[in-house]
This record gives sequence, structure tokens and C-alpha cells, in this order.
Amino acid sequence: EPEVTQTPSHQVTQMGQEVILRCVPISNHLYFYWYRQILGQKVEFLVSFYNNEISEKSEIFDDQFSVERPDGSNFTLKIRSTKLEDSAMYFCASSEEYYYGYTFGSGTRLTVV
Amino acid sequence: AQTVTQSQPEMSVQEAETVTLSCTYDTSESDYYLFWYKQPPSRQMILVIRQEAYKQQNATENRFSVNFQKAAKSFSLKISDSQLGDAAMYFCAYRRRALNYGGSQGNLIFGKGTKLSVKP
Repeated sequence: EPEVTQTPSHQVTQMGQEVILRCVPISNHLYFYWYRQILGQKVEFLVSFYNNEISEKSEIFDDQFSVERPDGSNFTLKIRSTKLEDSAMYFCASSEEYYYGYTFGSGTRLTVV
Repeated sequence: AQTVTQSQPEMSVQEAETVTLSCTYDTSESDYYLFWYKQPPSRQMILVIRQEAYKQQNATENRFSVNFQKAAKSFSLKISDSQLGDAAMYFCAYRRRALNYGGSQGNLIFGKGTKLSVKP
């Protein structure tokens, strides 16, 4: 069964550093998403992406964050100047059509120290 | 704004027994989707079952079934013949129905989750 692949599975970074989280969505999917889950809390929407542009973003997704689809396969989330409170599990997801459910990746655990 | 509420932080079930996880939601939309996701200790989010609000028939996937009560805005998950591998966090999620391609697709809104333990 096709999978959404995320790398790395775990990243530790120093406060103030920039990190790039990478995702390879399922090849025929058109809609891409980033969600995050702070430990012990609910999963929160960050951003959705379609046709090479952001289609929707949450209040969390401020200027510190950016997304990019640099080529035909990768979908990246960049976090500039990381803060301790950015420590969380970050999930990438994709869907084939706007009315389908998502397929989530296995997540990247980001730890900011 | 839409909200999803899971009132049971933890549940426990004996192996081979049946358990029901509760979920209620609040929305003014008439057409939307509801989902149950499973998150095992590996923390991957796995889609368990999906229900379209315009369909009256309750969705089923093998041992998993839902009781969708649209008027009551209730969406419970029933797990039959529980197995040790069913132990996980279960999240209920809501998504409004997008009307067209592109643009705002309606993000998933999650409940806080229910931790299910399965006793051998």
C-alpha cells in the first residue's frame, strides 16, 4: 500500500536554529498537509498546500514557518529560529482528491533544546 | 467554529470483548466527513474508518464499526473482538466538505483522544 514518507524520524536541534522537515507524499496525491502534536495534546492543523501554493493555514503557522514543494516529489516544512515550544511530533499528510481522507506519514519528532 | 469532544480519556477492554469509544462534535454544516484515527505507540496516525455525513448507513471496516447519529452529532466507534494490537490512542476527527478543487479544503479537527488498553 502506498505510504507517505517522512524524514528524519527524530531531530534534535538547538534553540534558534533552522530545521527542515521532509515529506514524500503519495505520488498521485494532489493535496498536502502539515499537522503537529505537542506531547500529550491534540493534533493541530498547520497548513494545507495545493497547486504549488498554500490553500489554508492556521494561526500557529506564522512567519516562522514556511512550506515548499521544491520538486515533483518532496514537500518540506521549514521552521526558522526554533523555540522550545516548537518541540512536537510533526505529521505530513496527503490526499488524492479534496473529498478523500488523508494518509498520514509516520511523523518527525522534533526536540528543541 | 467546529469542535470535537471525546469524553473518555481512557478506556479498557478485555481481549475478545467489545468496546465503544464516544465522540461528539459541534458544527453548523450539513455536509462533512467524520473519521476515527488510531495512534499506536509508534505515534503514526492510521485511518481506521471514515463516514460521510450524507450517508445514513453506518460505516464498517472488519471489526470496526461506527454508530453515526447525525441529529445528535454523535459518532461512536465500536471495536468487536478486541485484540492486543488494538491498544492505542484513538482520535475522532471532523472535516467539512470542500465544495471544489483547490482553495480551502477544510482541515481535520481532532478530539483530544481516548487511550484504549486491551487486557489479555
